[in-house]
Amino acid sequence: GNSVTQMEGPVTLSEEAFLTINCTYTATGYPSLFWYVQYPGEGLQLLLKATKADDKGSNKGFEATYRKETTSFHLEKGSVQVSDSAVYFCALLSGGYNKLIFGAGTRLAVHP
Amino acid sequence: DAGVIQSPRHEVTEMGQEVTLRCKPISGHNSLFWYRQTMMRGLELLIYFNNNVPIDDSGMPEDRFSAKMPNASFSTLKIQPSEPRDSAVYFCASGTGGHETQYFGPGTRLLVL
Repeated sequence: GNSVTQMEGPVTLSEEAFLTINCTYTATGYPSLFWYVQYPGEGLQLLLKATKADDKGSNKGFEATYRKETTSFHLEKGSVQVSDSAVYFCALLSGGYNKLIFGAGTRLAVHP
Repeated sequence: DAGVIQSPRHEVTEMGQEVTLRCKPISGHNSLFWYRQTMMRGLELLIYFNNNVPIDDSGMPEDRFSAKMPNASFSTLKIQPSEPRDSAVYFCASGTGGHETQYFGPGTRLLVL
């Protein structure tokens, strides 16, 4: 079946460091791919998305490229800030209706 | 614009009691989702409504759980009787058709003692 695998956290970085959070997926057909972010005590918010191969989603300095050949959608940011500390979820949209399948989430902690 | 509204934000109850969680989706959205988030199992889809009709309830854990959507602006998730293993954060999300974005509410943190 369809699934999403994320790197285990927590990821701990210093401010201004480079961030990569790995995400790979298994799916039939051509799913859409998403990154959601959950700040402490809040619900999930869409961070970025890509709907077809080679698309690059970007938002707030974060980027991810839909790589069909490696079935990956890794999240990157060139210079993280303390305010980026949160849990990041990779997800895919499968089926004929809107059923998001989430990865387990990766906690990011950024220290000054 | 108001986002997805959930109530209560926190609920503490004793085992065996009935618990009702409420959700008001974003106006104009025709899809509504209930999720459960736990440390052990992550984020799980419980049930999905489209145009107020339940489309997929395969994620509902057992008969103790039920969900309704009597109109486009209100949904409930009920647990009766509640058990300690139901302790989790329950999220409601709403969206529109196609490859849409789901907008999540702030969640209800449930603790069953």
